[in-house]
Amino acid sequence: QKEVEQDPGPLSVPEGAIVSLNCTYSNSAFQYFMWYRQYSRKGPELLMYTYSSGNKEDGRFTAQVDKSSKYISLFIRDSQPSDSATYLCAMELYGNNLFFGTGTRLTVIP
Amino acid sequence: GAGVSQSPSNKVTEKGKDVELRCDPISGHTALYWYRQSLGQGLEFLIYFQGNSAPDKSGLPSDRFSAERTGGSVSTLTIQRTQQEDSAVYLCASSSTGGGVEQYFGPGTRLTVT
Repeated sequence: QKEVEQDPGPLSVPEGAIVSLNCTYSNSAFQYFMWYRQYSRKGPELLMYTYSSGNKEDGRFTAQVDKSSKYISLFIRDSQPSDSATYLCAMELYGNNLFFGTGTRLTVIP
Repeated sequence: GAGVSQSPSNKVTEKGKDVELRCDPISGHTALYWYRQSLGQGLEFLIYFQGNSAPDKSGLPSDRFSAERTGGSVSTLTIQRTQQEDSAVYLCASSSTGGGVEQYFGPGTRLTVT
């Protein structure tokens, strides 16, 4: 079993839709939970991170962590064509090593 | 300011050849990471440097892979006797702190072994 599981998609939504992206994990010791966005042929870009359980909002993006269920989500409101990218979840154990999901490819159709 | 840069952006090499991939981290960042991203796979951690400490090499897949970081700045990832399964995008990231959070990634080097 992988440390982090993420549905690869692809996911296509119309412009303006609410998008929900999710990851599950197996190691209850993960402390930090991150979401990265990766455009084609570019490196990943950190969107936001949360520590432990709870919600965090940044503009149209909301990250949610449920440690009891080992489940994290990223919600994108009012999705735009510019949001079309691959979204990677990542988790830190302690120290330095990040464990990444395989990424979900999102397309927002104008 | 300047972000993380990597060179070359693309590298095609023949099986059995050695390759060197370069990473220039963000100025002042003490932590530097190498990852590998294969098609359909998540990012796979390879190696981590933090200041003058001994690197964490726990992710290197075989002894054909090595990396060094000179003067606490530029890093080079070397793959000896390349194999076709080494074909992937090699990503470098840097961070201003020793923790893994808030890593800034370069654009990657796309390596193709023929």
